[in-house]
Amino acid sequence: DQQVKQNSPSLSVQEGRISILNCDYTNSMFDYFLWYKKYPAEGPTFLISISSIKDKNEDGRFTVFLNKSAKHLSLHIVPSQPGDSAVYFCAASSGSSASKIIFGSGTRLSIRP
Amino acid sequence: NAGVMQNPRHLVRRRGQEARLRCSPMKGHSHVYWYRQLPEEGLKFMVYLQKENIIDESGMPKERFSAEFPKEGPSILRIQQVVRGDSAAYFCASSPLAGGDSTEAFFGQGTRLTVV
Repeated sequence: DQQVKQNSPSLSVQEGRISILNCDYTNSMFDYFLWYKKYPAEGPTFLISISSIKDKNEDGRFTVFLNKSAKHLSLHIVPSQPGDSAVYFCAASSGSSASKIIFGSGTRLSIRP
Repeated sequence: NAGVMQNPRHLVRRRGQEARLRCSPMKGHSHVYWYRQLPEEGLKFMVYLQKENIIDESGMPKERFSAEFPKEGPSILRIQQVVRGDSAAYFCASSPLAGGDSTEAFFGQGTRLTVV
C-alpha cells in the first residue's frame, strides 16, 4: 500500500516556465513533508520541506503548497532551469519520536530549451 | 563537516556471497535510515536505527537481511547469500532528530550492489 503517491512518472517543461510536481498521501498521521531532488548516480538531496501547520513554504525558485483536506502537496519551480532536470521525490513523516520517512516513486522532470 | 559517507560506492558479489554496506552518518546525527532503489523505481524504506537500537525494520526482508548501528562505528547493512534480485542501489540517510522541524534526512551517495 503506497502511502505517498506521485502519479506522474515524468514531466517535460520548457525552460523559463513553471514546473509543477504533484504528490498525494493517504496517511493522515503524516505531518511533515519533504521534497528531494536526485541526479543519476547520486544520492537524493534535500530541497524543501513543509510542516502541516503551514500551507505554503517558499525558498527562492521553489515553493511547496500543502492542502491537508485533500491530502495533496505540490512543488512549484519557477522559472525552470536546465539544471532542474532530475528526479524529484516527495516524502512524508509523522512528528512522532520514532518515525520513518516514506518516499513516493518519483517524477522525472526534464527541462527543454 | 563531512556529509553522510557510504562505502563502498560499488560492490560486486557472486550469488551466495555476503554483502556488507557501510554508512557513517553526519557528525552529530544519531538516526540512520536505509533505503533501497531498484532500477526505475523509487526509494523503498528498509530500516530505521538509532544508536544500538532498531526502531523500525518493517521494510526489511525477513530473511538474509540485517542491520546494526553500534555505539561506535558506522551503521552496517548486511545481506547474506545474495541473489540477483538484491542488485540495487542502497542509500543511507541520517538525521539529528526524529520528528519536528528538523526531520530532514541527509543522504549518502549510495552503494550500488551488483550480484552476478
